[in-house]
Amino acid sequence: AAGVIQSPRHLIKEKRETATLKCYPIPRHDTVYWYQQGPGQDPQFLISFYEKMQSDKGSIPDRFSAQQFSDYHSELNMSSLELGDSALYFCASSRTQGATGELFFGEGSRLTVL
Amino acid sequence: AQKITQTQPGMFVQEKEAVTLDCTYDTSDQSYGLFWYKQPSSGEMIFLIYQGSYDEQNATEGRYSLNFQKARKSANLVISASQLGDSAMYFCAMSAAISGAGSYQLTFGKGTKLSVIP
Repeated sequence: AAGVIQSPRHLIKEKRETATLKCYPIPRHDTVYWYQQGPGQDPQFLISFYEKMQSDKGSIPDRFSAQQFSDYHSELNMSSLELGDSALYFCASSRTQGATGELFFGEGSRLTVL
Repeated sequence: AQKITQTQPGMFVQEKEAVTLDCTYDTSDQSYGLFWYKQPSSGEMIFLIYQGSYDEQNATEGRYSLNFQKARKSANLVISASQLGDSAMYFCAMSAAISGAGSYQLTFGKGTKLSVIP
């Protein structure tokens, strides 16, 4: 079965640079979520989109922005990168109709800021 | 607001024995879901088991079972016949629908690192 696809899997950037992460949800899933997991931390919710509209916002810095496109894929843009942005970024998707609330996670994109 | 508490930062278990990972939660919602995810050192988040707040029977998935005690607000994960490959970080999480938003709010606990000893 198709899973959530994230790219790139690994990314190395320098401070003050910009990074873009991509997420392709499971087909027919209408909601996409972004989570940030720092070293030794639990995942923290950043932002979610339902039917291409932002549905909820968590602890996402102003330097970050995200959107969901017409084909339901989503991109997380991170600017003016800081050392503290080094983390594993998860994308997850879910479907609303008849759902249990389970989020299906991608394998994550590991960002390292030097 | 939802809160998940996992009080065991680390656990050790002998191979082939059973182990229980603790999870308590706090919510004012009547309808919610409880999940356990496994995160090996490679980083991916692997879904293990789900329990709905209205489910009367405890969920089971192979060697995993969820000991759901609603009155105590606990959702402990029991792994039977531990294997070396079970060594990983385990996260308990709770999901609740965001009214009118079409999405869910998933809150994670801090995790328990399980180490299986040969």
